[in-house]
Amino acid sequence: DQQVKQNSPSLSVQEGRISILNCDYTNSMFDYFLWYKKYPAEGPTFLISISSIKDKNEDGRFTVFLNKSAKHLSLHIVPSQPGDSAVYFCAASVTGTASKLTFGTGTRLQVTL
Amino acid sequence: DVKVTQSSRYLVKRTGEKVFLECVQDMDHENMFWYRQDPGLGLRLIYFSYDVKMKEKGDIPEGYSVSREKKERFSLILESASTNQTSMYLCASSLLGTGEENTIYFGEGSWLTVV
Repeated sequence: DQQVKQNSPSLSVQEGRISILNCDYTNSMFDYFLWYKKYPAEGPTFLISISSIKDKNEDGRFTVFLNKSAKHLSLHIVPSQPGDSAVYFCAASVTGTASKLTFGTGTRLQVTL
Repeated sequence: DVKVTQSSRYLVKRTGEKVFLECVQDMDHENMFWYRQDPGLGLRLIYFSYDVKMKEKGDIPEGYSVSREKKERFSLILESASTNQTSMYLCASSLLGTGEENTIYFGEGSWLTVV
């Protein structure tokens, strides 16, 4: 049972435009959400996170939105740059579970010139 | 910066061999994890540890064991490697906490091919 779902395996966006990556979850106990970015042959790197007490968190070009009623979060990248081309993983956890994260299957973002 | 170091980046092993994947973190984190990443399946948790000599099964522990004798070191062991264990293995660590401390930091990964 996939508790964290990224239904779009890939996304192509032009440089300078907005990239929107989506993530849905089914476990209502999740209260902390993270996005990781992964280049080929490297480990994932932490990008941005959001607690369930917030509905938005911003860090430079990256904004994460959380809609708890819909059990949906999204990552917005504005403006998109070629260096943003990577696989993006959404992850979720329940506070107090020793940081045990449940990951989605990932979305490959390609930013074209 | 947090540094999680995986000793072997690329390994090729034969079916039936015993395989050790070593991981060291330098940030005094309590929690350590082993994940594997496979195309279309995302990252799946194999085992994790929240203290020395403590371990808990993740989502896919079958065929694996772990060892944590020191706080900074977490080893993944494949007792008898099989071809379906060909994958990218990722070690990670985090603080024992809540909220933002739940952020985990990954190593660069170990590519294991079992032939």
